[in-house]
Amino acid sequence: EAQVTQNPRYLITVTGKKLTVTCSQNMNHEYMSWYRQDPGLGLRQIYYSMNVEVTDKGDVPEGYKVSRKEKRNFPLILESPSPNQTSLYFCASSLSSSASYNEQFFGPGTRLTVL
Amino acid sequence: QKEVEQNSGPLSVPEGAIASLNCTYSDRVSQSFFWYRQYSGKSPELIMSIYSNGDKEDGRFTAQLNKASQYVSLLIRDSQPSDSATYLCALTDSWGKFQFGAGTQVVVTP
Repeated sequence: EAQVTQNPRYLITVTGKKLTVTCSQNMNHEYMSWYRQDPGLGLRQIYYSMNVEVTDKGDVPEGYKVSRKEKRNFPLILESPSPNQTSLYFCASSLSSSASYNEQFFGPGTRLTVL
Repeated sequence: QKEVEQNSGPLSVPEGAIASLNCTYSDRVSQSFFWYRQYSGKSPELIMSIYSNGDKEDGRFTAQLNKASQYVSLLIRDSQPSDSATYLCALTDSWGKFQFGAGTQVVVTP
């Protein structure tokens, strides 16, 4: 089944404790992206990757890191989480970033709470 | 100023009627436009994509794009209770950056 998977789905942690949220897709997609969703603010792009070893900042990259060492994986790293990073996180992927191939498919989401 | 604007709603629509959702954007270099549906607690799912001016129809859904007016809309015909959700407008430029609106909540009433 073609899908985007995220782990963990739920995470409660404490301020400053490094964490990684994994994202994997099995569709051989070039483009992958991370979003956070907060009430009233909609989805905001954190980082995106057009291909292996190519990453770019979205609108809200502060406090996050990403890497794209393999095509299928795009982990999101919070080196020192803070309470303002409490949010619902989505990973998404698309065939490419080119028009007509840039329809994104979303993972199930990761609900993160930072105490 | 928010770059992708949607009316937050809720938009109340009688069952069987047409729901009309609007989205305006400020970035003139936007090339691709999308409508996503999101049920509460779930991930967004793609309904429509549109890339050129005009109308695009898919089943009960019609997307309309007017790049000169920086406006994209979605019509849902014969609205069903299962259409009750939040609808997200999204757009992207040719460099891969995506922007989403905050969404319009649609409530279809029997």
